[in-house]
Amino acid sequence: NAGVTQTPKFRILKIGQSMTLQCTQDMNHNYMYWYRQDPGMGLKLIYYSVGAGITDKGEVPNGYNVSRSTTEDFPLRLELAAPSQTSVYFCASTLMGGTEAFFGQGTRLTVV
Amino acid sequence: KQEVTQIPAALSVPEGENLVLNCSFTDSAIYNLQWFRQDPGKGLTSLLLIQSSQREQTSGRLNASLDKSSGRSTLYIAASQPGDSATYLCAVSTGTASKLTFGTGTRLQVTL
Repeated sequence: NAGVTQTPKFRILKIGQSMTLQCTQDMNHNYMYWYRQDPGMGLKLIYYSVGAGITDKGEVPNGYNVSRSTTEDFPLRLELAAPSQTSVYFCASTLMGGTEAFFGQGTRLTVV
Repeated sequence: KQEVTQIPAALSVPEGENLVLNCSFTDSAIYNLQWFRQDPGKGLTSLLLIQSSQREQTSGRLNASLDKSSGRSTLYIAASQPGDSATYLCAVSTGTASKLTFGTGTRLQVTL
């Protein structure tokens, strides 16, 4: 079982560029999440989805967009990259509410 | 707004010692609490999940307790080993969508 897979692992973007962080899970989980982790800070929730076609904002959604067209995939889109978006991004999934969360290995993004 | 605090921020112990990591949260209306381990440059690995109705969970040398009414959890690690060196994160789940609020972690180093 691959679990939660994120690509790419590392990326450097220039200010104003766009990119999509990919996340896929093979556990047939209903709920998926995107978090960002900044140095010395706890993980913050960006967006989440409780099923295909359903997405909602988390604590820090500005500058990001998501879609959930399938159960397996939950891509995160950055439209106009800014230095403040330099961070490590983690995708996670859970089967349903109240169950164990599984995390991907993260994408380290630097915006210069 | 839920806030999660972890004390201490860093801890260094000699191999073989038993140790306790602390986690506190401000809103006791949680669904569950999870302890994660994070190795440098890696993703999060779930260690223990305690549902709000439970008092403790055990896995091998790890024991996690939960006192929901006082907003506290502890992670007890018995007979520590150098391989236990990592950052330990505590997260509480609120709401039916299992959104996680994280602490900033305790960085543990176990020395020979």
